[in-house]
Amino acid sequence: NAGVTQTPKFQVLKTGQSMTLQCAQDMNHNSMYWYRQDPGMGLRLIYYSASEGTTDKGEVPNGYNVSRLNKREFSLRLESAAPSQTSVYFCASSLNLGGYNEQFFGPGTRLTVL
Amino acid sequence: DQQVKQNSPSLSVQEGRISILNCDYTNSMFDYFLWYKKYPAEGPTFLISISSIKDKNEDGRFTVFLNKSAKHLSLHIVPSQPGDSAVYFCAASVQGAQKLVFGQGTRLTINP
Repeated sequence: NAGVTQTPKFQVLKTGQSMTLQCAQDMNHNSMYWYRQDPGMGLRLIYYSASEGTTDKGEVPNGYNVSRLNKREFSLRLESAAPSQTSVYFCASSLNLGGYNEQFFGPGTRLTVL
Repeated sequence: DQQVKQNSPSLSVQEGRISILNCDYTNSMFDYFLWYKKYPAEGPTFLISISSIKDKNEDGRFTVFLNKSAKHLSLHIVPSQPGDSAVYFCAASVQGAQKLVFGQGTRLTINP
């Protein structure tokens, strides 16, 4: 049982390049999330998917797109990377049966945009 | 508009003493609160939670206290151990909502 996995672990991009961050969970969770962590800012929600087939914007969605490919997988795409998107990105998932919502996190992707 | 605030970016405590991490929130609709622990180069891991119907929840060395009137929660670690050195995030949620709102984090360092 791997939990939440993310690929890649590290990535360096040039401004304007595109890339997709992959996330998968094997806990049969309904909801999945993408966060970014920046110094002094905590964890900020980029996008989330409450259930398969739905996606919604979080606090900082600009410059990103997401795809909930199936129940297990939730990808985050940067179409034209900017230096302001240099950050550590975390994917998370939760069972979310309508009660309280503990989230389980992946190990993160450290992205640098030059 | 920071709905969940951790006003201390860092805290240093001697091994064996009590560590107290604080968190304040502004949204009175929040009714579930969590603490996460994060080591460098790893994702956050769930530590302990409390619902608004309680004012205290204990799990081993970790106790979370909730003061609803003050919109304040705290995490107590007793006794503190070197392995507790990490960044601690508090988070808040509303029952049935899919989202958590996180604070900025507090870096705890336990000194031998």
